[in-house]
Amino acid sequence: EAGVVQSPRYKIIEKKQPVAFWCNPISGHNTLYWYRQNLGQGPELLIRYENEEAVDDSQLPKDRFSAERLKGVDSTLKIQPAELGDSAVYLCASSHRTGIYEQYFGPGTRLTVT
Amino acid sequence: GQQVMQIPQYQHVQEGEDFTTYCNSSTTLSNIQWYKQRPGGHPVFLIQLVKSGEVKKQKRLTFQFGEAKKNSSLHITATQTTDVGTYFCAGRDKSGNNRKLIWGLGTSLAVNP
Repeated sequence: EAGVVQSPRYKIIEKKQPVAFWCNPISGHNTLYWYRQNLGQGPELLIRYENEEAVDDSQLPKDRFSAERLKGVDSTLKIQPAELGDSAVYLCASSHRTGIYEQYFGPGTRLTVT
Repeated sequence: GQQVMQIPQYQHVQEGEDFTTYCNSSTTLSNIQWYKQRPGGHPVFLIQLVKSGEVKKQKRLTFQFGEAKKNSSLHITATQTTDVGTYFCAGRDKSGNNRKLIWGLGTSLAVNP
């Protein structure tokens, strides 16, 4: 079974530039998560999708971050414009459903904003 | 809001020594999950505990869920260099409709060979 796929793995951009991350969850997983992880910290949830519906985006900085999950499968997370403080690893995870199900993480995208 | 605290933040042991990390929640949890993240890697699910007082074992790893479902622990017996990484607990609040996992900050384990 293929795992969660993310691209790109690394991205370096200058501040004020836009950036997008892509995630393909495990086949059949209805729930998709985007997390941000800073060095030495735990994952911080940005947004959670159940199928194509964003059911928890309370931690998503909506002035510059946006996400979509068209057709309830792949998802894209965008930052526009990026700021220096956005440098982090952006992790995508999926689970069969929300609740007692474990989450499977992708390898992450390491973003560096200069 | 709900908080999940983990202690210690760092632990450095000699290979063969035991290791324990503790997770404490400010609220009662419906379940708790444990993940391991190797340096440069991503979190990998280890186990989930659901029942009050539950104890589960995976080879040298022993996981416990407190009777009050507000704390949990992970104990590793006779650590090996392959145990190096950061161990996260993540708990789900028992009350309310929000099914979001709240993550601890993790305990980073270093093992000297």
